[in-house]
Amino acid sequence: RKEVEQDPGPFNVPEGATVAFNCTYSNSASQSFFWYRQDCRKEPKLLMSVYSSGNEDGRFTAQLNRASQYISLLIRDSKLSDSATYLCVVNEMDSSYKLIFGSGTRLLVRP
Amino acid sequence: EAGVTQSPTHLIKTRGQQATLRCSPISGHTSVYWYQQALGLGLQFLLWYDEGEERNRGNFPPRFSGRQFPNYSSELNVNALELEDSALYLCASTRGQPHYEQYFGPGTRLTVT
Repeated sequence: RKEVEQDPGPFNVPEGATVAFNCTYSNSASQSFFWYRQDCRKEPKLLMSVYSSGNEDGRFTAQLNRASQYISLLIRDSKLSDSATYLCVVNEMDSSYKLIFGSGTRLLVRP
Repeated sequence: EAGVTQSPTHLIKTRGQQATLRCSPISGHTSVYWYQQALGLGLQFLLWYDEGEERNRGNFPPRFSGRQFPNYSSELNVNALELEDSALYLCASTRGQPHYEQYFGPGTRLTVT
């Protein structure tokens, strides 16, 4: 089982749509969670951290369910500029202290 | 505030040669992480440096090594290059605590022929 699993997509949605991405992680000791976005052949850029209480940043909402080891990202009112690959990232807080990246979910927003 | 910088942007080497990649973290960040992203694949953790020390390494052979300098910049060395080392090498920095967000540089694209 992969440490961090994501649906690879692509999700092809029209502008203005609401789209949700899910991610599961295998290590229950994981402590920090993030969503990054990565444009083609570019570096990942931090989108938002994910907190236990859930958090929202404009059109983006992230949720964490520790019991189910599940993270989600909701994008409302999709824009063409939202087209990218969204990476679910988990920080293992054991002795390894490294980020584990999911393979990403590709989003295509069409006019 | 300047972001993470990496050099060179592109690097072309032949099999068996050595490559040296450089990274300067965001000012005030003391930890540097290196990742490899082969074409079409996810990011794989390579190395973590903090306060000049190697703190952890991923599942890569010893020919991948590096160091961190007193100014917190870092260098990644890849010896005896193999074709499969062709990838985007990304450096990220953070304030030092592993649970803080990591910020990435633009990467060095290494091509081994």
